[in-house]
Amino acid sequence: DAGVIQSPRHEVTEMGQEVTLRCKPISGHNSLFWYRQTMMRGLELLIYFNNNVPIDDSGMPEDRFSAKMPNASFSTLKIQPSEPRDSAVYFCASSKTGGFYEQYFGPGTRLTVT
Amino acid sequence: AQSVTQPDIHITVSEGASLELRCNYSYGATPYLFWYVQSPGQGLQLLLKYFSGDTLVQGIKGFEAEFKRSQSSFNLRKPSVHWSDAAEYFCAVLPGGNEKLTFGTGTRLTIIP
Repeated sequence: DAGVIQSPRHEVTEMGQEVTLRCKPISGHNSLFWYRQTMMRGLELLIYFNNNVPIDDSGMPEDRFSAKMPNASFSTLKIQPSEPRDSAVYFCASSKTGGFYEQYFGPGTRLTVT
Repeated sequence: AQSVTQPDIHITVSEGASLELRCNYSYGATPYLFWYVQSPGQGLQLLLKYFSGDTLVQGIKGFEAEFKRSQSSFNLRKPSVHWSDAAEYFCAVLPGGNEKLTFGTGTRLTIIP
């Protein structure tokens, strides 16, 4: 079975540009999570969806960040405009149980904003 | 304040030696407890989890963890490490209800020959 798929794996962009990160959860999973990992702050939950509906976006740092899940097999995390402090590894995870009990993580997208 | 602590930032162990990674939590009630592993350049993989029942839980890759309520701890152990165990290990807690999963800061494990 394919795991969680994220694209791109690496993204380098200039400050002010729009960045879109993509995630395909595991088929049959009904919860999807976006995390950010940095040296300074560790792993932070940005937002999560249950059945394509955003449940908690309190971790989204600013209005520059937005996330969508138009269907059960696709989600995007968009940063517009990007800033150097957004540089991090962004992980997408999915779970079958509708909660945090057993999450499967994608390989991550390493974002560098210059 | 509620928190999860991994006191060791970096641990170095010889191949074949035993391993114990520490995790302590501070919550009012016993939360759900997890250990994840992150290999370089990879996402996190669930090693094991504790919800209730037997306080010694077995996981994948030969790992086990023991929940000790009196010490608010959930330490990860392996009797004999392999070079492929070199990775970063994260303890995580889920307080329950509608709370979110909170990760510790991680412990990086280095294996020397």
